[in-house]
Amino acid sequence: SQKIEQNSEALNIQEGKTATLTCNYTNYSPAYLQWYRQDPGRGPVFLLLIRENEKEKRKERLKVTFDTTLKQSLFHITASQPADSATYLCASRDAGNMLTFGGGTRLMVKP
Amino acid sequence: NAGVTQTPKFQVLKTGQSMTLQCAQDMNHNSMYWYRQDPGMGLRLIYYSASEGTTDKGEVPNGYNVSRLNKREFSLRLESAAPSQTSVYFCASTSGGNNEQFFGPGTRLTVL
Repeated sequence: SQKIEQNSEALNIQEGKTATLTCNYTNYSPAYLQWYRQDPGRGPVFLLLIRENEKEKRKERLKVTFDTTLKQSLFHITASQPADSATYLCASRDAGNMLTFGGGTRLMVKP
Repeated sequence: NAGVTQTPKFQVLKTGQSMTLQCAQDMNHNSMYWYRQDPGMGLRLIYYSASEGTTDKGEVPNGYNVSRLNKREFSLRLESAAPSQTSVYFCASTSGGNNEQFFGPGTRLTVL
């Protein structure tokens, strides 16, 4: 089955910088990858979806890339703000249209 | 719209006790899911229901049962709770298509 790997160490960056989070998948190339944001004590919230045949997707200050050669997706937040501090989860579409989630990476943006 | 709601928000059980976690969605979604989230483990699928009247096992179904009561409601039952079931439980729903999932606020369960 698919395995999704995200850096379990927190990412600390300065306000205004670009945050880059990594998501690696181990087996087959999924039809799409999704990114979610999760704040402490709350459920995940959907942010972006990128399909296998799309190299890049943007939404406001967010950008996601999908590299099937590297089996990797990168999630970028430009001009980061303290309000962007949260845990970000990557998920891939698995067999049967289920989602397989990574463990998430915690982002801390310092003023 | 309330989205996905879950009750209770917190629960403490003793080993061997039973309980039912409730979930409801008001978005007319066909598919509903139950996940558990443990530190460092990510979200793991317990059971899902692709449509009203159907349920299927996910990655970690042992020790759980589910009921899709109607299109809105999907409950998760622990018949005999064990300390290994201490976790945060999330219910989610989706209309299908891109499979964007909408999550509830979670239930924090501790089994002593």
